[in-house]
Amino acid sequence: NAGVTQTPKFRILKIGQSMTLQCTQDMNHNYMYWYRQDPGMGLKLIYYSVGAGITDKGEVPNGYNVSRSTTEDFPLRLELAAPSQTSVYFCASRTSENTGELFFGEGSRLTVL
Amino acid sequence: DQQVKQNSPSLSVQEGRISILNCDYTNSMFDYFLWYKKYPAEGPTFLISISSIKDKNEDGRFTVFLNKSAKHLSLHIVPSQPGDSAVYFCAAGGNQGGKLIFGQGTELSVKP
Repeated sequence: NAGVTQTPKFRILKIGQSMTLQCTQDMNHNYMYWYRQDPGMGLKLIYYSVGAGITDKGEVPNGYNVSRSTTEDFPLRLELAAPSQTSVYFCASRTSENTGELFFGEGSRLTVL
Repeated sequence: DQQVKQNSPSLSVQEGRISILNCDYTNSMFDYFLWYKKYPAEGPTFLISISSIKDKNEDGRFTVFLNKSAKHLSLHIVPSQPGDSAVYFCAAGGNQGGKLIFGQGTELSVKP
């Protein structure tokens, strides 16, 4: 089982560049999430989706965009990268039930210089 | 506004003793809670959960306690083992349209 797959694992960006972090899950989960973890900090929710075509803002959405055209994919777009977006990004998914556990990807480490 | 708080950034425990990790929340609409464990350079992995209709849930060495009136939950690990050394996150959700909010994490170190 592949579970939740994120690409790329590492990326260095220059200030002002744009990029997309890819996330795919093969568990047919309706709910998908993007979190960021800054050094020594917790997981902050960026965006989430409860199904294809539906997305909503989390705690720290500024500077990011998402789309959910299929159940499997939930890409995170960074426009005009800033040093404050240097972080480790985690994608996660879960079943539709409210009590379902989250399955996380391995993370994508992004550095903006 | 930090809705889920883990006020202890770190905890050190001797092998074989009990580890107690604490978590507080402010939103009374949360009705289920989860604990995750994270090793460096890996994604978090699920440990244990509890619904607001319960006040305790056990799974092997791990027990989660929920005090709804105090908006407080705790994770007990007994006995603690060196392999338990990791960062532990609590998370809360429910009645939030699918939103799941995490705390800042507590780094547990279990010394042999």
